[in-house]
Amino acid sequence: DAKTTQPPSMDCAEGRAANLPCNHSTISGNEYVYWYRQIHSQGPQYIIHGLKNNETNEMASLIITEDRKSSTLILPHATLRDTAVYYCIVGRSDYKLSFGAGTTVTVRA
Amino acid sequence: DSGVTQTPKHLITATGQRVTLRCSPRSGDLSVYWYQQSLDQGLQFLIQYYNGEERAKGNILERFSAQQFPDLHSELNLSSLELGDSALYFCASSVGPDTLQFFGPGTRLTVL
Repeated sequence: DAKTTQPPSMDCAEGRAANLPCNHSTISGNEYVYWYRQIHSQGPQYIIHGLKNNETNEMASLIITEDRKSSTLILPHATLRDTAVYYCIVGRSDYKLSFGAGTTVTVRA
Repeated sequence: DSGVTQTPKHLITATGQRVTLRCSPRSGDLSVYWYQQSLDQGLQFLIQYYNGEERAKGNILERFSAQQFPDLHSELNLSSLELGDSALYFCASSVGPDTLQFFGPGTRLTVL
């Protein structure tokens, strides 16, 4: 599986957009980019995933660069409940998820 | 609520003992995964079952074993427990072997 690099932490103001970067320069053609988050020892929660195209759902948007070597998760209007560890994972759809250290996002009022 | 249930929520036991963790996947999901999350290791994949058969194995110790039953629920058995086995154990499920995983709330195991 391709490895990912994420900043260890970032702060965000409540109500503002949070942009979470992820580098995955060794991604293969059949590997997806997945984003999960974990709120204080709860089970990881699926956010969004994509292969090549940008994706949007009710939780977030995923922007993948044309060369697929990096991506950005966008939380459009961060709330205090979005405080969590966010994991960017790259892998095949039929394989285990390899979680790294993730980015600890703190949303401040 | 992901629809994946895990029991018990908390488990406290002593070194050398054996415990069983249970996972019920979301309705319709055939695949079950087990993960371990300890303070110093992060989330580690242990094992995957699909429709009753073992499909993939990760960093699972020989003292640990798992199975998936005909009704698709799964159990993770941990034996000869050591202090270092204290961790959160998560189960995830997916419709098939190549679809999104949804995680349960976890079982917190404390070995004293």
